[in-house]
Amino acid sequence: SQTIHQWPATLVQPVGSPLSLECTVEGTSNPNLYWYRQAAGRGLQLLFYSVGIGQISSEVPQNLSASRPQDRQFILSSKKLLLSDSGFYLCAWSVGPGFGGELFFGEGSRLTVL
Amino acid sequence: QKEVEQNSGPLSVPEGAIASLNCTYSDRGSQSFFWYRQYSGKSPELIMFIYSNGDKEDGRFTAQLNKASQYVSLLIRDSQPSDSATYLCAVPPSGGSYIPTFGRGTSLIVHP
Repeated sequence: SQTIHQWPATLVQPVGSPLSLECTVEGTSNPNLYWYRQAAGRGLQLLFYSVGIGQISSEVPQNLSASRPQDRQFILSSKKLLLSDSGFYLCAWSVGPGFGGELFFGEGSRLTVL
Repeated sequence: QKEVEQNSGPLSVPEGAIASLNCTYSDRGSQSFFWYRQYSGKSPELIMFIYSNGDKEDGRFTAQLNKASQYVSLLIRDSQPSDSATYLCAVPPSGGSYIPTFGRGTSLIVHP
């Protein structure tokens, strides 16, 4: 069966510090991968998605970046965090190629920037 | 651009009542619809999907789709406090896109 793992679950970072969130998917090949952010009490904001290794599409211009070094690994990074980067970060995958219909979400990473 | 609209709520219902969650969508060509449940502090999980006009039942949950009115709803019968969560309506992408469209979600509170 397919599983998705995301870490760390919680982190508190000072403004200006770097960030690295990692997500891996098991049990499937060539998934579509997504990074979402959810601010407190708000909806899902798509940040990045990837349909293959090294292929990253950015939806929102900001100080975040994403990389997909392996088929089932998706990394969200920042060189210098802003207060506004605080939120709940969710990695998700769907069946590829094309779009399989359902998104499967990881457990989420709660980031607080102080 | 596709839009999915949901009333943010909160919708408050007593235990045992029917909770009705509604969603409207802008793209008349949308063929399928998904309902996700998100407990506070947790990630969303799929609970229902519907492709055809009419009703689809799964236990206490019923999804209803009316394509002519561009309206999809989720009914929860015999609501329980454990149903208290935010419910997200979503439309899969079409036309070669990989981006599903999510509503902002409706917060449901079931009080004893």
